[in-house]
Formats: sequence, C-alpha cells, structure tokens
Amino acid sequence: AQRVTQPEKLLSVFKGAPVELKCNYSYSGSPELFWYVQYSRQRLQLLLRHISRESIKGFTADLNKGETSFHLKKPFAQEEDSAMYYCALSRVNRDDKIIFGKGTRLHILP
Amino acid sequence: DTEVTQTPKHLVMGMTNKKSLKCEQHMGHRAMYWYKQKAKKPPELMFVYSYEKLSINESVPSRFSPECPNSSLLNLHLHALQPEDSALYLCASSQVGRDRGSDTQYFGPGTRLTVL
Repeated sequence: AQRVTQPEKLLSVFKGAPVELKCNYSYSGSPELFWYVQYSRQRLQLLLRHISRESIKGFTADLNKGETSFHLKKPFAQEEDSAMYYCALSRVNRDDKIIFGKGTRLHILP
Repeated sequence: DTEVTQTPKHLVMGMTNKKSLKCEQHMGHRAMYWYKQKAKKPPELMFVYSYEKLSINESVPSRFSPECPNSSLLNLHLHALQPEDSALYLCASSQVGRDRGSDTQYFGPGTRLTVL
C-alpha cells in the first residue's frame, strides 16, 4: 500500500537555524513527490515538486530512492516559514490521486 | 486566471437542510477534486472528476453528491448532513496529461462548513 510518513507533528526551530522536515514514502511504482504548505489563513499551495529540482523560498528537497525519502531542507529559517507542511505522493501514470502525509507544523522561534 | 475559487466562504446549515458548495477554475484543467479537511489534519480526498466524469469516489456517504456541469465548474450538493461533517471543504484542480497523476494540484481557499 502507498503511504507517506512525516514522523514529526511539530518542529520548533530558532530563526536563523537550519530546518529539516522529514518525509518517507512507501510505493512500489514510480512516484512523484511534492511538498505542500499551508500558511495560517491561506490556501494549501505547492511549495516544490521533485521533478522541478528547484529551490523555492530557500527550501530544497531531494528524492532519495534508496532511502525512500524526500526531506525538506532550508539552511536558515525565517519567521515567515512558520506553517503546516505536507509531504505528498502522486502515482505517475496510475490515477489523479495524491496521498498526503499527516503534516508537520513548523514553528520558527524568534 | 490562475486561481481556484470557492463559494461560499462559510456555511452554517442544519441537519435537514440542502445546500451546495461551488468551485470554479479557468486554467483549462480537466481534473477537479473535492477534499475534506478537519482541523490540524491533512486533506482527505472525497471525489475526483476527470474530463467531467467521476473517476474516484473514496467511499463517501451519499449525503454528499458531487456534480461537474462543465470543465470549469464543480459542485458538491449536501443533504441531511451530520455534525461530524463540519470541516473545511477544499476544491482543487490539475491538468490531466500524458503523465497522469503527476501534475500539481491547485487548491481553492475552501468553504468552512458547520453543521448544527
């Protein structure tokens, strides 16, 4: 069965410190991985996807197929990064469904 | 227009009422979705429409009835709901292309539903 695991419900990090939000997935096929972010009182929006290999708002994520991980990283946290982050998996050439992890709330401390 | 819009923003209804949620997008996307999101939880998929046809129904109770009148509109008709159905209902859309299942979903702001 397909599964996305985000082991941390809450992650508190001081401003300026590095951030790493963990995501592991379980899927036997060819997945596409995403990070979605939900800021307070804003809509859920895409932060980045693995095929783009780009950095958005200073965040990067590399797909590691050996470890089945897609951790989200940022070298220096900013207060505006406080939000709910969801790792998600899409099953390429299978259907239009996205499987979300349970989410990690990132709290940046001043 | 690169947004998904949803109306109303808030809805309060009794258990005997009939109401509808509306979703609209003009990005030319041919896949549209309904999700239910409870507080501090991830979105739970309810329905997927692909090319205006229902392609996924995640065993949603019949008191929720989706409708896709055309490629830009998606409705969710509500009837005889229960208090536990109170949640944020999100609409999303995506392209359906050669790499099905691999396209970004764009979310609307949601309708906050309260069932009394």
